[in-house]
Amino acid sequence: SAVISQKPSRDICQRGTSLTIQCQVDSQVTMMFWYRQQPGQSLTLIATANQGSEATYESGFVIDKFPISRPNLTFSTLTVSNMSPEDSSIYLCSVLRDRGYEQYFGPGTRLTVT
Amino acid sequence: SQELEQSPQSLIVQEGKNLTINCTSSKTLYGLYWYKQKYGEGLIFLMMLQKGGEEKSHEKITAKLDEKKQQSSLHITASQPSHAGIYLCGALDTGTASKLTFGTGTRLQVTL
Repeated sequence: SAVISQKPSRDICQRGTSLTIQCQVDSQVTMMFWYRQQPGQSLTLIATANQGSEATYESGFVIDKFPISRPNLTFSTLTVSNMSPEDSSIYLCSVLRDRGYEQYFGPGTRLTVT
Repeated sequence: SQELEQSPQSLIVQEGKNLTINCTSSKTLYGLYWYKQKYGEGLIFLMMLQKGGEEKSHEKITAKLDEKKQQSSLHITASQPSHAGIYLCGALDTGTASKLTFGTGTRLQVTL
C-alpha cells in the first residue's frame, strides 16, 4: 500500500481567490491523479499529473483553471484558480505504482467557496 | 465512454445481516476496483478484480467479477456498524490502464 497525505485537509475560501492543494506520497509512484467529488456525487478525474511535463487534462477541465505540478515521483500540487461556489468539492489525489496494480487515494481536501 | 451503474443507491440493513451491492458496466471491464468511503473522507481500497470469474475476499467482504466481465458484486457477510459508508466501484480505462471511471455509489447504513 501507499501512505498519502494531503494539505490542507479542508479550507473555506472566498470567491475569486486561488487555493493550492498538496499531495505527498511516502514512496515513489509511477502515476498520480487528481479527482474531484462534488457534493453528493461520485468522483470525476480532473487530470493525470505527469512528472517533468505538463499534466494531461480530461474533457471539461483546463490548465488555466486547474494548474498542476509534479516536480518529482512523490509530490504533486493542484491549484484551483479564480474560485467560484461551483468549485466547492472534495479534491482527492490518487497514486498508482504501475499499470495494473492497486490505486490508492489520499484523505481528500474539502473545499468550500463562499 | 464507459458508464458504471451501481445498485442499490442506498441500503439500510440490520447488524448481522448479509448484503450485496452490484456494479454493472456498459462495456467489458478491463479491471474493476472497489472502494469504501467514509462520509466526506478519502477512499479506502478494498479489492481489485481483473479476470472473468475472479473472486477475492478480505475479512467479511467478498467481491466477484462475472465471466463476461461486465458486472461485479460486493457481498458483506454479517454486517457490522463499521461497514457503514459509501461503496464505490471504479472501472479501469482500457486505453491508459490507469485512469478510473467511477460508479454512482451505494450508501450503506447498518442499524443496531
